[in-house]
Amino acid sequence: DIQMTQSPSTLSASVGDRVTITCRASQTISDWLAWYRQKPGEAPKLLIYRASTLERGVPSRFSGSGSGTEFTLTISGLQPDDFATYYCQQYNSYSWGFGQGTKVEIK
Amino acid sequence: EVQLVQSGGDLVQPGGSLRLSCVVSGINFGSYWMTWVRQAPGKGLEWVATINQDGTEHYSVDSVKGRFTISRENADNSVFLQMNSLRTEDTAVYYCARGRDYGDYWGQGTLVTVSS
Repeated sequence: DIQMTQSPSTLSASVGDRVTITCRASQTISDWLAWYRQKPGEAPKLLIYRASTLERGVPSRFSGSGSGTEFTLTISGLQPDDFATYYCQQYNSYSWGFGQGTKVEIK
Repeated sequence: EVQLVQSGGDLVQPGGSLRLSCVVSGINFGSYWMTWVRQAPGKGLEWVATINQDGTEHYSVDSVKGRFTISRENADNSVFLQMNSLRTEDTAVYYCARGRDYGDYWGQGTLVTVSS
């Protein structure tokens, strides 16, 4: 099984900050990586797929990059709505694997 | 508007069974793979099972193989998760999602609690 490791686990930031979350795969996954934002009590919301493609309707302050085993999610100009938990997700051989999540907190 | 409406979550004793449903509207349901994902209380997301467009292919995580079955009824725009031999560690909110590679639309989630 492919393991996904996210860092950091928790991140403290202020409105307007630029934040970066990293996700590493235990083996190469090409660009089969997605990013989600989840608020408490809600379903995950897709932000980025195929490592760098912005989902329709998602603000342009979100961007994704990387391929192979290392990926990043960047939020340029954190908004109040962005204080939440973020997950990366890989797709391989008809199964998904998620990172453990990164909680973005208000500093 | 695409909507995924879930039902079926409940409190069940260990060893019991439950069937979760997810009714999809706003899309040509039969054209899409569908997936179930779960989240234990206070924990992260875990992929459970995926099914192809006509139900002839399905895949699941090892921990539920032989106990859970994913299925679909395209005439009713519905996907199901039949859960048998439930264990306490199956306690979670279960989400249905559209997609094979990633989930672009998600249901609201339904809570399954396995406890005596």
